[in-house]
Order: sequence, then structure tokens, then C-alpha cells
Amino acid sequence: QSALTQPPSVSGSPGQSVTISCTGTSSDVGSYDRVSWYQQSPGTAPKVMIYDVSNRPSGVPDRFSGSKSGNTASLTISGLQAEDEADYYCSSHTSSSTLVFGGGTKLTVL
Amino acid sequence: QVQLQESGPGLVKPSQTLSLNCTVSGGSVSRSGYYWTWIRQHPGKGLEWIGFAYFSGSAYYNPSLKSRVSISVDTSENQFSLKLSSVTAADTAVYYCARVWGTYRVVEYWGQGTLVTVSS
Repeated sequence: QSALTQPPSVSGSPGQSVTISCTGTSSDVGSYDRVSWYQQSPGTAPKVMIYDVSNRPSGVPDRFSGSKSGNTASLTISGLQAEDEADYYCSSHTSSSTLVFGGGTKLTVL
Repeated sequence: QVQLQESGPGLVKPSQTLSLNCTVSGGSVSRSGYYWTWIRQHPGKGLEWIGFAYFSGSAYYNPSLKSRVSISVDTSENQFSLKLSSVTAADTAVYYCARVWGTYRVVEYWGQGTLVTVSS
């Protein structure tokens, strides 16, 4: 299975919005809503921010939102804050009943 | 609150088998609907799903590692384990154990991760 495709980096200024894309295939993102997004700060374990395309776990700010169109899922962070600077990863269920991650995107808050 | 803790050797010799355990507290590995998973992260790189297992014994693995990996659940000890055979330097990584909510295939809870270095 191939890793989902994410842009290596994105950036934005405080208060702005940024969107991170996650492109898969009809065997994963395109066929299932089992897409999640994780935030990872240096030296720490990842933390789930979005699951099932657009659901936020308790405690995650509503500035984080998710969507999907075709084979591409997206994570949007609005009202960017300095604390949002981190690496972000998407994941998806696959038709083989496996899990696949994206390559990761480094978010820089300017 | 579910907590997971990895344990095992931090240094493994090439061609040997990497073995890690994950102790689960705050929840039972026998609970229906949850998969017990291993994920690794090579230094400075992204996340790689290794595989997951269910308490009943069923397991699913990353096709690229399938021939070398085994994940099992020990309900008596409330633990699960990873075995990766014939390791090389390319297997040097931080290994995370985690719980996957099966319905949504989301990795809910993560261990802190443990660095395993493959070197002679």
C-alpha cells in the first residue's frame, strides 16, 4: 500500500486559515469515511484531532475541521494560533482492512 | 483513561528479532470493538502503520512488513506484543503502541513511544 499524499509543508500567519490536503485512491480515502487527522509536536506522540472525516474528539477546538471530496480529504485550521505549529498526519482505512498514513505536513505559524 | 506503555530492548542486533510489549491500563484488551496496534516512526520521518490485532486472535499487517511481523494479544496480562524478525538498520525507529477504535479506524490512545536502534 502506498502512503497517502500530503504537502510537505504549509504556513500561515496568526488568525489566518490553512488547509492541508490528503490524497489517496479509490481503495482508501475515496471509498471510506474512515479518515482521521493527527497532530504531533516534537518529541511527543501524535494526538487525534479529527476522525471519520469531520468529527472532533472532545477537547479539540472547533477551529479544526475536516472534509472530503472524492479521493482527497482536507484538514482546515481557522484562526491560526502559534500553538498549532506542529506536524499533521492523515490516515485512512483501506479495502484490505489495513490502515495507511499520509507522509505528514509541517505547519509553520509565521 | 486508557494508558499504554511500551517496554523492551532499546538495542537490537541486525538479523535478530525485535520484541516489544505494551502494557495497557485503564481498559481491557479483551474489550470488544478495539484493535491493538503498533506504529513506528523513523528518525525525522512520518508515521508507518505496522499492524493491529484483535483480542480474538485476528490480525492485519502492513503488506510491506507482513512476512516479518507478528502482533499478539495476551488477555491474561492485559498486554499485547510486537515481534519483527530479521531486522536491519532500516528498522531503527520510535515504536508506538496504541489503541484503535475499530468502528472508525481512529488511533485514540498512544503510548509515549520507545526508540529501538538496530546496530551491532
